[in-house]
Amino acid sequence: GAVVSQHPSRVICKSGTSVKIECRSLDFQATTMFWYRQFPKQSLMLMATSNEGSKATYEQGVEKDKFLINHASLTLSTLTVTSAHPEDSSFYICSASPPGTSGGSYEQYFGPGTRLTVT
Amino acid sequence: SQKIEQNSEALNIQEGKTATLTCNYTNYSPAYLQWYRQDPGRGPVFLLLIRENEKEKRKERLKVTFDTTLKQSLFHITASQPADSATYLCALGDYGQNFVFGPGTRLSVLP
Repeated sequence: GAVVSQHPSRVICKSGTSVKIECRSLDFQATTMFWYRQFPKQSLMLMATSNEGSKATYEQGVEKDKFLINHASLTLSTLTVTSAHPEDSSFYICSASPPGTSGGSYEQYFGPGTRLTVT
Repeated sequence: SQKIEQNSEALNIQEGKTATLTCNYTNYSPAYLQWYRQDPGRGPVFLLLIRENEKEKRKERLKVTFDTTLKQSLFHITASQPADSATYLCALGDYGQNFVFGPGTRLSVLP
């Protein structure tokens, strides 16, 4: 159980175009999903928290107009990188937490990641 | 500001030995701490969670300790195998599901 998928796994786009990445929770409902970015040999940096039915919460320094997040249903969140530039090339990973158990159980289940290359 | 350190960036050990990874933090009082494994080009995989009121957790060959006085967690892999080679990340969280990840330690288990 607790499987999270991402699509696509790899995308190459030209500078100035937009790219959409999908994150799905396959066997549970997720009211909250998280989007991370990871540069080579660095740790995960939280970009934003995606809330179903409401606006996403962005971390400091992350441009909300550039990284559009839509959490349209309890199993799907999308991240759109608008007007992509080479510096946006990175590994984008989403995660979700299944509903917590008594006392809280906040392990996150991560998608396999999307490698974005902007040329 | 919050700071998480994992000593060291890379660790090489011989197969069969116990690998010990360290996670230290400052300016933070986490409600729980988690360890994840990440293979190259893949998303992290959850391994263990330990809460602030717990001292130790075990799962098969894995053991985690959590010392809130020292602000440190130790992650042990006993009888290590080459298949254990990966990057291991610690993550600290509060009850608001706010997570902060450490930089990771790249473990290599040599046959």
